[in-house]
Amino acid sequence: DAKTTQPTSMDCAEGRAANLPCNHSTISGNEYVYWYRQIHSQGPQYIIHGLKNNETNEMASLIITEDRKSSTLILPHATLRDTAVYYCIVRADQGGKLIFGQGTELSVKP
Amino acid sequence: NAGVMQNPRHLVRRRGQEARLRCSPMKGHSHVYWYRQLPEEGLKFMVYLQKENIIDESGMPKERFSAEFPKEGPSILRIQQVVRGDSAAYFCASSPLGLAGTYEQYFGPGTRLTVT
Repeated sequence: DAKTTQPTSMDCAEGRAANLPCNHSTISGNEYVYWYRQIHSQGPQYIIHGLKNNETNEMASLIITEDRKSSTLILPHATLRDTAVYYCIVRADQGGKLIFGQGTELSVKP
Repeated sequence: NAGVMQNPRHLVRRRGQEARLRCSPMKGHSHVYWYRQLPEEGLKFMVYLQKENIIDESGMPKERFSAEFPKEGPSILRIQQVVRGDSAAYFCASSPLGLAGTYEQYFGPGTRLTVT
């Protein structure tokens, strides 16, 4: 599975959009981009995933560049409860293990 | 639809004892994964199971650790002769057998193992 690079930490003001970038320049054609988050001490939570098209669900939007070498997770109106570590994971669509990196620690501030 | 359930939530064992961690996947899910998170470290994959089969155990320590997912009942992660270094949060996840692109995993709340 391709390696991903994320900033170590980010801050965001409550109510504003949080834009979390991820680089995956070695992504292969059959690999999906997944986003998970882990709120302190809890189990990781699935957010969204995509292959090449932009995706949106009730939690977030995922924007994937045309060359698929990077993506951005957007939380449109961040709340204090969105404070968490966010993981960008690239994985081939065969099921199997998730490889978690260090992620981005997002702090939403009032 | 209940989520992934893990029990116990907290487990204290003395060095040398056995620890048994249980995971009940979401209804309809036939794939189970175990991950470990050591204090102040990231999540590490341990093992991937389907009913009665181990699919990938590349992350399992070579000794003392075993996992099963029987035809009936929960998945069990078993740690024999625990040592202090086994103290960690152990998370279970499950996923459905789905079409392409639907292999998202849903995680349980974890079991916090403390070895004294």
